[in-house]
Amino acid sequence: DADVTQTPRNRITKTGKRIMLECSQTKGHDRMYWYRQDPGLGLRLIYYSFDVKDINKGEISDGYSVSRQAQAKFSLSLESAIPNQTALYFCATSGPGPINYGYTFGSGTRLTVV
Amino acid sequence: AQKITQTQPGMFVQEKEAVTLDCTYDTSDQSYGLFWYKQPSSGEMIFLIYQGSYDEQNATEGRYSLNFQKARKSANLVISASQLGDSAMYFCAMREFMDTGRRALTFGSGTRLQVQP
Repeated sequence: DADVTQTPRNRITKTGKRIMLECSQTKGHDRMYWYRQDPGLGLRLIYYSFDVKDINKGEISDGYSVSRQAQAKFSLSLESAIPNQTALYFCATSGPGPINYGYTFGSGTRLTVV
Repeated sequence: AQKITQTQPGMFVQEKEAVTLDCTYDTSDQSYGLFWYKQPSSGEMIFLIYQGSYDEQNATEGRYSLNFQKARKSANLVISASQLGDSAMYFCAMREFMDTGRRALTFGSGTRLQVQP
């Protein structure tokens, strides 16, 4: 099993629909992140969580919400999807300790809003 | 302001030659970390190499090395002896403090490398 699992892998949804992207990790790390990738823009941080009760907005949180159901689970919701939310979404986790403690990424969810 | 700048949207290199992918960064932190990731066409993010701001020697990992010039705020990735499998998107990223005092990765816009036979 992958260290970070994202579901679904691909999703097509209609404008205005609510959609949830799920992420679970088996690394035992406290820190989890959601990123969005658009062509030519790299990955941008949406939300991050350092603990079940510690959730923070990133650079582009508008139109998104998150839920940290447990240490291992971090879900991203689009309350009312719009076409410019079409992107590749990544979940990641990292550990504490030295600054170079590695980040592990999921395989990504490719979301298309039509 | 852009924190991580990758000025080469696309690069071509001949197989077996070396290639340098540029990355400059902007931070006022004294303690930070710089990462390079590879993203093949399949989409996954593969960690390549890390350089800490206090590391005095350039990081190396196999065919990858990081040319770290702290005063110039640059962290270029050097791939030696390019292989066809190196064709991918490459991202430079910096681990830095967010407004919350927590650290997270900030990414550049990427460089698409194509290795030609």
